[in-house]
Amino acid sequence: GQNIDQPTEMTATEGAIVQINCTYQTSGFNGLFWYQQHAGEAPTFLSYNVLDGLEEKGRFSSFLSRSKGYSYLLLKELQMKDSASYLCAVRSLYKLSFGAGTTVTVRA
Amino acid sequence: DSGVTQTPKHLITATGQRVTLRCSPRSGDLSVYWYQQSLDQGLQFLIQYYNGEERAKGNILERFSAQQFPDLHSELNLSSLELGDSALYFCASSVAGTEWGAEAFFGQGTRLTVV
Repeated sequence: GQNIDQPTEMTATEGAIVQINCTYQTSGFNGLFWYQQHAGEAPTFLSYNVLDGLEEKGRFSSFLSRSKGYSYLLLKELQMKDSASYLCAVRSLYKLSFGAGTTVTVRA
Repeated sequence: DSGVTQTPKHLITATGQRVTLRCSPRSGDLSVYWYQQSLDQGLQFLIQYYNGEERAKGNILERFSAQQFPDLHSELNLSSLELGDSALYFCASSVAGTEWGAEAFFGQGTRLTVV
């Protein structure tokens, strides 16, 4: 099976930086994904890591350490529209499993 | 628009009934995933198909079944419905099941309400 853990909630101020951590345990790992989901809507793909290191995509960056079973998503220059749930997902063989999600609230 | 189409968008039905949810993957995608998301819950993996064959199964109830057809569209059948089956059901597709970098794209979901 897979265990994927991430914090339930985080709050930050507009313009600030927030880091969402994700730890996982799995066998047959072949990729870690981050998705954004607004309430009642479909998850949308943000980033993907398969090798150790940092992937940067505009205001969003994602980091992976396979030996530690650890990833984080960094959101910079937070905007009000970034208030959403952020889902960490691990691909293992044919399965793509999701963590429970971290609800990020951006305050003015 | 992700290119993944799910129908219907909303479904209200009574306990004990059976429903079928439909998913058309993005053009060229061979892999289809089904997920259940109850209120304030995470995405629960149900089942995955690749090119017509079942490849992975999650915590899918015996009352639920799915299939992927030769044209690659997929259907999720839910029977003997209970109040607790009320949820958003998402379908996602990707190019392949295990290929590196093959992120999954989600449809808009079907909101099922069992009354």
